[in-house]
Amino acid sequence: SQQGEEDPQALSIQEGENATMNCSYKTSINNLQWYRQNSGRGLVHLILIRSNEREKHSGRLRVTLDTSKKSSSLLITASRAADTASYFCATDARSNTGKLIFGQGTTLQVKP
Amino acid sequence: DTAVSQTPKYLVTQMGNDKSIKCEQNLGHDTMYWYKQDSKKFLKIMFSYNNKELIINETVPNRFSPKSPDKAHLNLHINSLELGDSAVYFCASSQDRGYQPQHFGDGTRLSIL
Repeated sequence: SQQGEEDPQALSIQEGENATMNCSYKTSINNLQWYRQNSGRGLVHLILIRSNEREKHSGRLRVTLDTSKKSSSLLITASRAADTASYFCATDARSNTGKLIFGQGTTLQVKP
Repeated sequence: DTAVSQTPKYLVTQMGNDKSIKCEQNLGHDTMYWYKQDSKKFLKIMFSYNNKELIINETVPNRFSPKSPDKAHLNLHINSLELGDSAVYFCASSQDRGYQPQHFGDGTRLSIL
């Protein structure tokens, strides 16, 4: 069954604004990962946050994880037109198989 | 150099045909995966191999058969193609099984006529 639910499904903002995407999941995890997918391309790994971490930064990206609420958020600051893409969260359960369960994604449009 | 490469990029074929998709990674990773992404962008794991050993085999029709000749290659063969098989198929790899970021190819768009 699908693990992640993402919110919102679509987001449209102006360049320079911040974009926040949320992800909720159902079962215990080892880590949660965020990926970006540009139109017609494969997924690109952005950031991995482990279950014992609460916040992680990478450049203009900030990810938080609340395991008590089984939720995560991805914040992109000072967005650029090039950030236009679909963003997916994926949970890695404690199975040590590499099985990722993806949310349905948030489509972000950044208008110049 | 492309890290994870899939061929072909596009595959258009008739219902009932058999087709294969090839994947190669030059990252030296031990684990490779096949995913299916449907028209609503929902991405689902199908198979995974670790050092040529099958470790994930999701509920997939047995018309789909993966083969890993070595740890750098993972191919997907599909028999008796059906309309519902139309999707984008992604290959991915990771350094080891579990708890690692995955590196994706650019996908193979399969269209069944």
